[in-house]
Amino acid sequence: QLQLQESGPRLVKPSETLSLTCTVSGDSISSSNYYWGWIRQSPGKGLEWIGSFFYSGNTYYSPSLKSRLTISGDTSKNQFSLRLTSVTAADTAVYYCARHLLQYPRYFDTWGQGTLVTVSS
Amino acid sequence: DIQMTQSPSSLSASVGDRVTITCRASQSISTFVSWYQQKPGQAPKFLIHTASTLQSGVPSRFSGAGSGTDFTLSITGLQPEDFATYYCQQSYSTPYTFAQGTKLEIK
Repeated sequence: QLQLQESGPRLVKPSETLSLTCTVSGDSISSSNYYWGWIRQSPGKGLEWIGSFFYSGNTYYSPSLKSRLTISGDTSKNQFSLRLTSVTAADTAVYYCARHLLQYPRYFDTWGQGTLVTVSS
Repeated sequence: DIQMTQSPSSLSASVGDRVTITCRASQSISTFVSWYQQKPGQAPKFLIHTASTLQSGVPSRFSGAGSGTDFTLSITGLQPEDFATYYCQQSYSTPYTFAQGTKLEIK
C-alpha cells in the first residue's frame, strides 16, 4: 500500500529556508510512471500546487514560487524534498506531498497526511 | 494560469439528498478535471479523474460530468460521511490549479 509521509521543522523564522522531506513507502520514486509533487494549503489561498519532481531529475515549479524553490529526490532513501528560501508569513501552510501520473490525466492519487509549517520569529 | 471556480462555496443538505457542485475553468481544459474530498484535519482524498471516472473504491453515489470549461460533481443519496469540503482541480496545464472548494454541511 502506497504511503507518503512528510517530515521537517514545524517552525521557520522569516527570511530563512523551509525544508521538508517526503518519505515514500509502497512504491519507488524511480518509477517511470509517476511524478512526485508538493502542494500546500493555507486559509488565505486554499490548495496551491508548488511543484513536481521526476526521478530523472526533471522538475517543474509553480511560476509564483520558482525563484525560491528547489525540489529534489534521493532514490537511495526513496525520498524527495522541498526547499523554499526567504520565507515569509505568507508561506505558513499545511504542506502535502503527493503522487501524480507522468502522463495525462495527471491526477494526485495519493497524498501524505500533511504537515503544518508556521513562519514566525 | 487557468483559474478554477466552484459554486456554491457552501451548501446545506440532508442525509439522502442529491447535491450538485459546479466547477468552471477559465479556459477549455478538455476533461482534465479531478475532484477531491477533504475532511477536517485530513489530507484531500482523490475521488474522480478525467471529469467522470471514479477512483477505485469510491461509492457509486458519486458522479462527475462535463468537458471544456464546465464540470459538475453530484452526490446522490447523501450519507453522513459525505459531509466534507470538495475541490476540483485541473491538470490540463501547469501550474496545476484548484478551486476554492465547496463546504457541504448537514442541514
